Amino acid sequence: GESVGLHLPTLSVQEGDNSIINCAYSNSASDYFIWYKQESGKGPQFIIDIRSNMDKRQGQRVTVLLNKTVKHLSLQIAATQPGDSAVYFCAEDRGSQGNLIFGKGTKLSVKP
Amino acid sequence: KAGVTQTPRYLIKTRGQQVTLSCSPISGHRSVSWYQQTPGQGLQFLFEYFSETQRNKGNFPGRFSGRQFSNSRSEMNVSTLELGDSALYLCASSFGLGVLAKNIQYFGAGTRLSVL
Repeated sequence: GESVGLHLPTLSVQEGDNSIINCAYSNSASDYFIWYKQESGKGPQFIIDIRSNMDKRQGQRVTVLLNKTVKHLSLQIAATQPGDSAVYFCAEDRGSQGNLIFGKGTKLSVKP
Repeated sequence: KAGVTQTPRYLIKTRGQQVTLSCSPISGHRSVSWYQQTPGQGLQFLFEYFSETQRNKGNFPGRFSGRQFSNSRSEMNVSTLELGDSALYLCASSFGLGVLAKNIQYFGAGTRLSVL
């Protein structure tokens, strides 16, 4: 199976809370990671990316953390809103393979 | 700026038939990648095209093929359809090659293929 995977297939949070979505990867040579959001009936939408020479990157309400020691990636969403309900994928660029390797995805549900 | 456009959005075919899917990338993007998305396997890479040449290929049988035209538009073809080919087929475009340029891939809405 794929080496980029997610610890939890579903995550349910209350509106206004912070969400944390996790991802593990196995290839230490991977040097670029991307988080995508996919809403029902749509294609994946880019959220944020991070290179392996960084351990944290912030966007608007989102933060990606990279822990190369344990090969772990996480996406933090602040003040989660109903519009954040979607499936979130992490993707790994292993360089040598020339394409992105996607995790299975985590479904985020936001309760009003 | 228009996004990635995939046509058709939905297709129903029967086993043994063939199908052609189309993808128009974002204007100025030269790289097009195709992915298959299923509930069981998730997003799996099919192939990538850049400047009308296939640059990279995933682990799919030869029934899956593609091409890219001089205007960067791309098509993928699946011959001798099998039930297991039912999936959402996604196209993504980026400015340059996926690896070397570390370009972000922008996805279309996909073509939902159902094989009966």
